[in-house]
Amino acid sequence: KNQVEQSPQSLIILEGKNCTLQCNYTVSPFSNLRWYKQDTGRGPVSLTIMTFSENTKSNGRYTATLDADTKQSSLHITASQLSDSASYICVVRGSGYSTLTFGKGTMLLVSP
Amino acid sequence: SQTIHQWPATLVQPVGSPLSLECTVEGTSNPNLYWYRQAAGRGLQLLFYSVGIGQISSEVPQNLSASRPQDRQFILSSKKLLLSDSGFYLCAWSGLRQGGYTFGSGTRLTVV
Repeated sequence: KNQVEQSPQSLIILEGKNCTLQCNYTVSPFSNLRWYKQDTGRGPVSLTIMTFSENTKSNGRYTATLDADTKQSSLHITASQLSDSASYICVVRGSGYSTLTFGKGTMLLVSP
Repeated sequence: SQTIHQWPATLVQPVGSPLSLECTVEGTSNPNLYWYRQAAGRGLQLLFYSVGIGQISSEVPQNLSASRPQDRQFILSSKKLLLSDSGFYLCAWSGLRQGGYTFGSGTRLTVV
């Protein structure tokens, strides 16, 4: 069964600090992995997309890593800002139209 | 550029009333379209997807139905809402050149 597990479930950090969110998956075959940021009451917005051959990809203060051998991904946020407070969702795409497996997300709260 | 519109943003409906949520995509043709539901504390659940006009696939049997009357229009409907239909509904699209999905801004449905 395809699964995406994210940890931690929630996280509180001080403004300016760094943090790392984890995503483990068992989706097979693997097509790509995306990290989304979802503000409360809004639709998810894509941060990064990574394919099998990519190990690291950055988008501003967001850096995603992918280890296809261990089926693990991480999202590192540098110098956090209050606006980073959101839910971060890991999504793994297999093959076909419906094989998109979502993690339950990590709720990040950045406090002043 | 491609954009996706979803409305309304919020909706409060009595039990037993009908439902119609609309989603449209601009700037692309023949997109794959999706309806998801996100319950509190849970991941996104795929409800319906469509690869073309009039082509609807249902992932989860329930009180809802979907239609695609035009290439870039996707509608989520119900004849009689249940309390359990409450949730956050997201429309999304993907194209041949896209490795992932782009989500709409979501509709918060509360059935009372």
